[in-house]
Amino acid sequence: AQSVTQLGSHVSVSEGALVLLRCNYSSSVPPYLFWYVQYPNQGLQLLLKYTSAATLVKGINGFEAEFKKSETSFHLTKPSAHMSDAAEYFCAVSPRNQAGTALIFGKGTTLSVSS
Amino acid sequence: EPEVTQTPSHQVTQMGQEVILRCVPISNHLYFYWYRQILGQKVEFLVSFYNNEISEKSEIFDDQFSVERPDGSNFTLKIRSTKLEDSAMYFCASRPDRARGIYNEQFFGPGTRLTVL
Repeated sequence: AQSVTQLGSHVSVSEGALVLLRCNYSSSVPPYLFWYVQYPNQGLQLLLKYTSAATLVKGINGFEAEFKKSETSFHLTKPSAHMSDAAEYFCAVSPRNQAGTALIFGKGTTLSVSS
Repeated sequence: EPEVTQTPSHQVTQMGQEVILRCVPISNHLYFYWYRQILGQKVEFLVSFYNNEISEKSEIFDDQFSVERPDGSNFTLKIRSTKLEDSAMYFCASRPDRARGIYNEQFFGPGTRLTVL
């Protein structure tokens, strides 16, 4: 069965610093991969997705993620953190070629940004 | 931009009572989902619905749960007799048909926080 691991339940950075949120998946075949963000009292918003078109994926709000098959990773980065980036971030996977199937989520990482 | 909506935003109920959580998916989407997130834990899949029937369900989705699409716009989750452990945030999600949503990108609503006392 597929699973997702997010290392670090809480990450704290200073405003302007690099953001790195880690995600590793376990699957024999690389799945579709997603990063969702949840701002306080809001739903899950898609940040970006990996579908195999390119290993470096750019998303909204300046975030990007790189798929590394050899490391079974899909880490999320942003060069310079902004206060508004403070939120909960979830990595999720979906098996390929199984339209309609459930997303499998990691436990989430809370990002705090200090001034 | 179209979005998934959910009502109510917060529901408080007594143990043993029935609750219905409501969702309006994006209008041209065909796949519908319910997920839940117990406080401090990961988002967990409950059930998926396609072509007016359940297409997949998790072991969490037992006989106490049911889903329905009573009309062309609403998608509901019913819990017949709530338990304390049903307290969680419940998210509805939808996605387009296979042609436009081949990567299984799902669009989520803001959630309903269910508190069972």
